[in-house]
Amino acid sequence: GIQVEQSPPDLILQEGANSTLRCNFSDSVNNLQWFHQNPWGQLINLFYIPSGTKQNGRLSATTVATERYSLLYISSSQTTDSGVYFCAVGGHLYSGGGADGLTFGKGTHLIIQP
Amino acid sequence: DTAVSQTPKYLVTQMGNDKSIKCEQNLGHDTMYWYKQDSKKFLKIMFSYNNKELIINETVPNRFSPKSPDKAHLNLHINSLELGDSAVYFCASSQDLGGSTEQFFGPGTRLTVL
Repeated sequence: GIQVEQSPPDLILQEGANSTLRCNFSDSVNNLQWFHQNPWGQLINLFYIPSGTKQNGRLSATTVATERYSLLYISSSQTTDSGVYFCAVGGHLYSGGGADGLTFGKGTHLIIQP
Repeated sequence: DTAVSQTPKYLVTQMGNDKSIKCEQNLGHDTMYWYKQDSKKFLKIMFSYNNKELIINETVPNRFSPKSPDKAHLNLHINSLELGDSAVYFCASSQDLGGSTEQFFGPGTRLTVL
């Protein structure tokens, strides 16, 4: 099945810092999403970005589908940005286990210190 | 206003019991999913379902069964609960089957089997 690798696995930053999270995937996909799982466990949609660049406030994302990677940028970090950031892909030929859902990476655990 | 809702939020039960988790979406989507998040926070698809077909991840034990009374609901039934079933279960929905369209997640149900 498709492989999704995220880096770095852990990241500790001071409030106000900028960061770049990376997601590599092993096959062509028709869907790529970024999620933030907050400390309460909720999965919040950040971007639906199978290709191109999008921005939402302090967050932006870029997916280069031909090179099979996506980047999530967080600028001027705030403590509320802490949590786990997941990249997930879908719509690929060989979905994991055949259930046609999203295949998730293992996430980047981000801690923003005041 | 909640797009995808789940009940209960927490479920604590004994080994061997049978339990259900309910999921409802008000987005008008045709496809719903169940995902399992294990203790290491790894998210994995369990089922994809629309009114035409159910697609089951090959690794899911047959003790787990999704039941859909209508397009807006997909409940998860678990028989003969085992310790290893302890996890957070997320329901999700999207417009189409196949993983290509954006998925939206419910708040999760934390299941603890004693």
